[in-house]
Amino acid sequence: NAGVTQTPKFQVLKTGQSMTLQCAQDMNHNSMYWYRQDPGMGLRLIYYSASEGTTDKGEVPNGYNVSRLNKREFSLRLESAAPSQTSVYFCASSEEGATYEQYFGPGTRLTVT
Amino acid sequence: GESVGLHLPTLSVQEGDNSIINCAYSNSASDYFIWYKQESGKGPQFIIDIRSNMDKRQGQRVTVLLNKTVKHLSLQIAATQPGDSAVYFCAENGPGGFKTIFGAGTRLFVKA
Repeated sequence: NAGVTQTPKFQVLKTGQSMTLQCAQDMNHNSMYWYRQDPGMGLRLIYYSASEGTTDKGEVPNGYNVSRLNKREFSLRLESAAPSQTSVYFCASSEEGATYEQYFGPGTRLTVT
Repeated sequence: GESVGLHLPTLSVQEGDNSIINCAYSNSASDYFIWYKQESGKGPQFIIDIRSNMDKRQGQRVTVLLNKTVKHLSLQIAATQPGDSAVYFCAENGPGGFKTIFGAGTRLFVKA
């Protein structure tokens, strides 16, 4: 079991460029999440998908879009990157909702110049 | 909005001693609390959780205490080892069951 995988590991974008962060889990979990972590801070929820076919906004959704492609995959898209989106992005999954243990991927370090 | 905070940003302990990491939460409606460990360059890793109908829960070398009266959560690590060096986050489950709110984290240093 690979658990939760994320690609890419690192990315540098120029302001205004777009990109998609990929996430996949092989644990047959229903719920998936995208978080961002800024230096010296905890994680903040961007979007989540309670189950396949549904997505909802978290605490900081502005500037992002998501797609729950199937039960395994949940992608995060930045349509027009801004320096304020420089952060480390983590994907996570859980069996059923956030009242179950969340398993995190290794993260994507994104820098927007 | 609700927030989860930590009393100390860093904690330094001697190898073999017990560690106590504290956390305050503000949402009295939260009913699920979690401690995560994050090592440098990695994603958070679940340590232990507790639900609001409990005061104490024990795992392997770790104990979580919940005091709902003063909205306080603590993580106790017994016989701290060098491998315990990491940032520890407390988190609470917000309304709706899908929105977890993380605290800023406490960095634990273990001195050999």
